[in-house]
Amino acid sequence: EAEVAQSPRYKITEKSQAVAFWCDPISGHATLYWYRQILGQGPELLVQFQDESVVDDSQLPKDRFSAERLKGVDSTLKIQPAELGDSAMYLCASSARTSGEQYFGPGTRLTVT
Amino acid sequence: SQKIEQNSEALNIQEGKTATLTCNYTNYSPAYLQWYRQDPGRGPVFLLLIRENEKEKRKERLKVTFDTTLKQSLFHITASQPADSATYLCALSTNTGNQFYFGTGTSLTVIP
Repeated sequence: EAEVAQSPRYKITEKSQAVAFWCDPISGHATLYWYRQILGQGPELLVQFQDESVVDDSQLPKDRFSAERLKGVDSTLKIQPAELGDSAMYLCASSARTSGEQYFGPGTRLTVT
Repeated sequence: SQKIEQNSEALNIQEGKTATLTCNYTNYSPAYLQWYRQDPGRGPVFLLLIRENEKEKRKERLKVTFDTTLKQSLFHITASQPADSATYLCALSTNTGNQFYFGTGTSLTVIP
């Protein structure tokens, strides 16, 4: 069964350092999402791609966060510089169409010290 | 302001009973409402999707209702089992699919 892949699974970094996360969606899924989930809360959408285009990044802190999906397949989310408040689970999801069911990857647990 | 509220307290029920979880929303006009299950340390898993013009959807032991007048969805698990213990999230999306919002989730524990 096809799955969304994410790496790394865990990342510990010091504040002010740069960190990057990678996501490979299910093959053929045009829509890709990045979420941030703080413990005890629901996922918060950071950015949504349709193919290689950003369709929603209204909740992305653009002074430190960036995301790209250059060829409309895999995607990278970067934080520079990382802050203590960025400690969270970063989830990637993909769907075959907008508003359709989303398939999530295992997430990257980020700890900023 | 926009808000999605789920049962704030954890829900504990006896095995075999029906679990009912609530999702209330304000200041949204969702075209779709979805329910997901999330186990600790893992990504959410899709369960059911219901459209604004649908009143009810079923899948095996799961049932979802959607009342756009009350601005509420109810999620039922019948004949609950300990393996159903998890956090359940509701999520709303608009017609365009360009806005997608999750609730805070409800933790369910099914006691053997």
